[in-house]
Amino acid sequence: SQQGEEDPQALSIQEGENATMNCSYKTSINNLQWYRQNSGRGLVHLILIRSNEREKHSGRLRVTLDTSKKSSSLLITASRAADTASYFCATPALIQGAQKLVFGQGTRLTINP
Amino acid sequence: DVKVTQSSRYLVKRTGEKVFLECVQDMDHENMFWYRQDPGLGLRLIYFSYDVKMKEKGDIPEGYSVSREKKERFSLILESASTNQTSMYLCASSPFRAPLRAGLNTGELFFGEGSRLTVL
Repeated sequence: SQQGEEDPQALSIQEGENATMNCSYKTSINNLQWYRQNSGRGLVHLILIRSNEREKHSGRLRVTLDTSKKSSSLLITASRAADTASYFCATPALIQGAQKLVFGQGTRLTINP
Repeated sequence: DVKVTQSSRYLVKRTGEKVFLECVQDMDHENMFWYRQDPGLGLRLIYFSYDVKMKEKGDIPEGYSVSREKKERFSLILESASTNQTSMYLCASSPFRAPLRAGLNTGELFFGEGSRLTVL
């Protein structure tokens, strides 16, 4: 069952430009998380934003959350080659009586030197 | 730093073999998870555990079983591997108190590096 869906599926930009990825979800949530995955590796947690927050920053990352539209965006400013990775949003979902994290299919970001 | 270690990065097995994927975390986390990741399908939850000897089915438990005899170790078992189980398997843990029932925040997951399994 898909809760979060990222858009676009793939994004290619030049080093130094900003990258924006979007996530839409279906049901009410108490938080939304973003993760990064380098090719062939595990996922790394980037940032968690709670439902009562509208915006959160961490270094070059800025995350927004619009609960009325059930959407979130991840902005990476001044992109670097090392930012090349897949980015996933994750939201809690109630499955079989328990709350678990459900991941979208991700946005594949390529930073060109 | 939290460390989640998966025993094998790459495995090649034959159809019908029994396969064990081991995962160990060193931060005394209550909750542990097994996901599989496939192109176009994203991450799908296979099983999770919120306490020793406890397990709950995720979205796609068929063909898999799990074992959690100790808090730090969560094993995924493929009783009879099939080619459609060729995938990347990801183990994760989280410190939030179990059970993860409605009304509780689901916090950050810490992932291992993944185990890429090929079944021939």
